Amino acid sequence: KNQVEQSPQSLIILEGKNCTLQCNYTVSPFSNLRWYKQDTGRGPVSLTIMTFSENTKSNGRYTATLDADTKQSSLHITASQLSDSASYICVVTGMTTDSWGKLQFGAGTQVVVTP
Amino acid sequence: EAQVTQNPRYLITVTGKKLTVTCSQNMNHEYMSWYRQDPGLGLRQIYYSMNVEVTDKGDVPEGYKVSRKEKRNFPLILESPSPNQTSLYFCASSLSGDSPNYEQYFGPGTRLTVT
Repeated sequence: KNQVEQSPQSLIILEGKNCTLQCNYTVSPFSNLRWYKQDTGRGPVSLTIMTFSENTKSNGRYTATLDADTKQSSLHITASQLSDSASYICVVTGMTTDSWGKLQFGAGTQVVVTP
Repeated sequence: EAQVTQNPRYLITVTGKKLTVTCSQNMNHEYMSWYRQDPGLGLRQIYYSMNVEVTDKGDVPEGYKVSRKEKRNFPLILESPSPNQTSLYFCASSLSGDSPNYEQYFGPGTRLTVT
């Protein structure tokens, strides 16, 4: 069973609107949680990285939150633009020294921004 | 320019014919990793390397080999490719093998088709 679950699987939003993507994980203990943006056919690009002691981090119009108690994270996109159309991937890294080299990936949320 | 490069970008081959996909980074990164990405499954880690001469299995290592003889290169070897290894492959690197909290940089991807 995947240790990182993302929802929704896909969503369509109008340009200028906000949206929130969800990530639930079971990796424990964990060291950090990352959000990546992946354009079709290209490598993922890092948006945010949060350690277990952080609960929010922003990168421009992207804001990630983390609740380590409930093992949930969200990525909020503000005032969406056409260029935000991409897959957004949640990635969790384990804490122990023999596990933190292994990254656990969610399946991603496909976001389509329409004019 | 700091980057991760992969070669080839596209490859069509036949079952059983050994192949190597090269990965090189020019950022003096210690950590390197290989992933495959399949529709509906997201990114899955194949192998990773914390540093030179140190490699470990990810979640889907079967059918693959890697080596890390020097810091900048981390080739992925398919000794006897099979059709189920048709996928999009990404190489990535990160600054340090001592901490999981550094940003990971991805290469552009290699699309492999095994017939």
